[in-house]
Amino acid sequence: NAGVTQTPKFRVLKTGQSMTLLCAQDMNHEYMYWYRQDPGMGLRLIHYSVGEGTTAKGEVPDGYNVSRLKKQNFLLGLESAAPSQTSVYFCASSRRRTSGDLYNEQFFGPGTRLTVL
Amino acid sequence: GENVEQHPSTLSVQEGDSAVIKCTYSDSASNYFPWYKQELGKGPQLIIDIRSNVGEKKDQRIAVTLNKTAKHFSLHITETQPEDSAVYFCAAKSGGSYIPTFGRGTSLIVHP
Repeated sequence: NAGVTQTPKFRVLKTGQSMTLLCAQDMNHEYMYWYRQDPGMGLRLIHYSVGEGTTAKGEVPDGYNVSRLKKQNFLLGLESAAPSQTSVYFCASSRRRTSGDLYNEQFFGPGTRLTVL
Repeated sequence: GENVEQHPSTLSVQEGDSAVIKCTYSDSASNYFPWYKQELGKGPQLIIDIRSNVGEKKDQRIAVTLNKTAKHFSLHITETQPEDSAVYFCAAKSGGSYIPTFGRGTSLIVHP
């Protein structure tokens, strides 16, 4: 049981280049999330998904796109990278919220450190 | 929307001392308050949580307290050890929301 995995662990891009970050979870979780972490800013939500084929914007969605084609995978895309997107990116997942269990723990991946030059 | 303030941003203690991290929230509908610990180079991991129907919860050396009237909650770590050194995040969430709101984090340093 690997939990939440992220690929790649590190990446350096030049301004204007594109890339996709992959998140995979093997816990059969319905909900998945992408966060970015910057010094002094905590965890800021980029996009999230409450099920296969559905996505929604978070607090800081500009410059990013996402897709959830399979339940276990959540992809984060940068179409034209900018230096402001230099950050550590975390993926997380959690169980579906039910009437008997409204409070679901988020499980985080190990992060991807992205530098945009 | 919800706003969570966390203090202090950095906390330095000697091994064996106690550490307290405080958070305030703005949305009175919030009723779930998790705390996450992030070790260097890793993702955050849940260490303890509290729901609005209780005022305090303990798990060995860590405890959380909640004051719903004042809209603040705190993490208490007793007998700190060097392995407690990490970044700690508080969060708040209502049962009707998919998404918790995180504080900005506290970097705890425990000196041997």
